[in-house]
Amino acid sequence: GAGVSQTPSNKVTEKGKYVELRCDPISGHTALYWYRQSLGQGPEFLIYFQGTGAADDSGLPNDRFFAVRPEGSVSTLKIQRTERGDSAVYLCATGTSNTGELFFGEGSRLTVL
Amino acid sequence: GESVGLHLPTLSVQEGDNSIINCAYSNSASDYFIWYKQESGKGPQFIIDIRSNMDKRQGQRVTVLLNKTVKHLSLQIAATQPGDSAVYFCAEMGDYKLSFGAGTTVTVRA
Repeated sequence: GAGVSQTPSNKVTEKGKYVELRCDPISGHTALYWYRQSLGQGPEFLIYFQGTGAADDSGLPNDRFFAVRPEGSVSTLKIQRTERGDSAVYLCATGTSNTGELFFGEGSRLTVL
Repeated sequence: GESVGLHLPTLSVQEGDNSIINCAYSNSASDYFIWYKQESGKGPQFIIDIRSNMDKRQGQRVTVLLNKTVKHLSLQIAATQPGDSAVYFCAEMGDYKLSFGAGTTVTVRA
């Protein structure tokens, strides 16, 4: 497709479970970002990839969160031992070089029961 | 309609009127600012950007103003339409990542 694709669109899980959220970027976009958005708040930065490497993971809240982008395209955000406080919409955005014009996906809504 | 002051979380505006959304930023070293629009259930969408060497930039029906002295950014929407109803975020670009403000919910009255 032409835009950023995120799957699943909705994920309901139980406390303590492991989840993976996937992001398919726009073809050719080297920069990829993960953000987290809680209800009524602005997106909060989690991690930034330039190509295959995580250039900045300073926003990951703790070591239960991890993200990969092994071939410089698709990225997966992984959350271990989920907690109720992890419930949010996880947004992926991609772009080219150092520009503020990022293209966001529609997000994956995670609910931890 | 105008969100008076540094930031108000909501703004109600009559269709056809002009809207002004205000935002204060915190980092005086920031040199690149962007406005995003987020409709319900969707990801944020880029509207317009401005660099710190400018104080005004115009797009289609939108204008962004930057006042570096007081660290204030505003977005003006001309002739507001029902499709402009959304949450609007200002964002600063620093260290290759965007930092978003709290957002203003704009509701357009018919």
